Amino acid sequence: AQTVTQSQPEMSVQEAETVTLSCTYDTSESDYYLFWYKQPPSRQMILVIRQEAYKQQNATENRFSVNFQKAAKSFSLKISDSQLGDAAMYFCAYGNTGTASKLTFGTGTRLQVTL
Amino acid sequence: SAVISQKPSRDICQRGTSLTIQCQVDSQVTMMFWYRQQPGQSLTLIATANQGSEATYESGFVIDKFPISRPNLTFSTLTVSNLSPEDSSIYLCSVETGGAVGANVLTFGAGSRLTVL
Repeated sequence: AQTVTQSQPEMSVQEAETVTLSCTYDTSESDYYLFWYKQPPSRQMILVIRQEAYKQQNATENRFSVNFQKAAKSFSLKISDSQLGDAAMYFCAYGNTGTASKLTFGTGTRLQVTL
Repeated sequence: SAVISQKPSRDICQRGTSLTIQCQVDSQVTMMFWYRQQPGQSLTLIATANQGSEATYESGFVIDKFPISRPNLTFSTLTVSNLSPEDSSIYLCSVETGGAVGANVLTFGAGSRLTVL
């Protein structure tokens, strides 16, 4: 079974600074997807970024980028130019390719953004 | 991406009763997923609901406790039966969007917060 580990329960970053959230996972599959989801106090889960394991290039979405290290099974999220609206719980998630979307989530990292 | 509406957004129930949560999607989808988020915890998949067939439950979840209906391609309900305080959680509906089946991109509803007294 796949597992996802987020070792940072809480992180804090100053506005306009950069922060990196860590995620490691375990799988025996060679092809899969990895995700970062954001859950603000409104509870709405929002997809931040998605990485396909067969792609070596790291995914980027505006201020959000990932560092995907397949051999190390590491998938960190970098948030640049942090904004107050980035404050939320961030969940790392894993999904197998070609199957129903049964995502395995990590335990989350609560990100605080300070002035 | 799809827009998902969940009702109720929150409810307080007495133990021993049941709560039915509705999930409405603004487009037709093949599969709908129900997740549970216990207080301070991550999300755990309860079951996958396909239209016209019985839901597929994950380990640790049974149909008697979490009956699911999927009458059409835009709607599903999850019932949490015989409530106990341990059922206090956020229940989230989600659908697969943004690509081919198996592309794993999920859109979530805003969740239904259940508190059991």
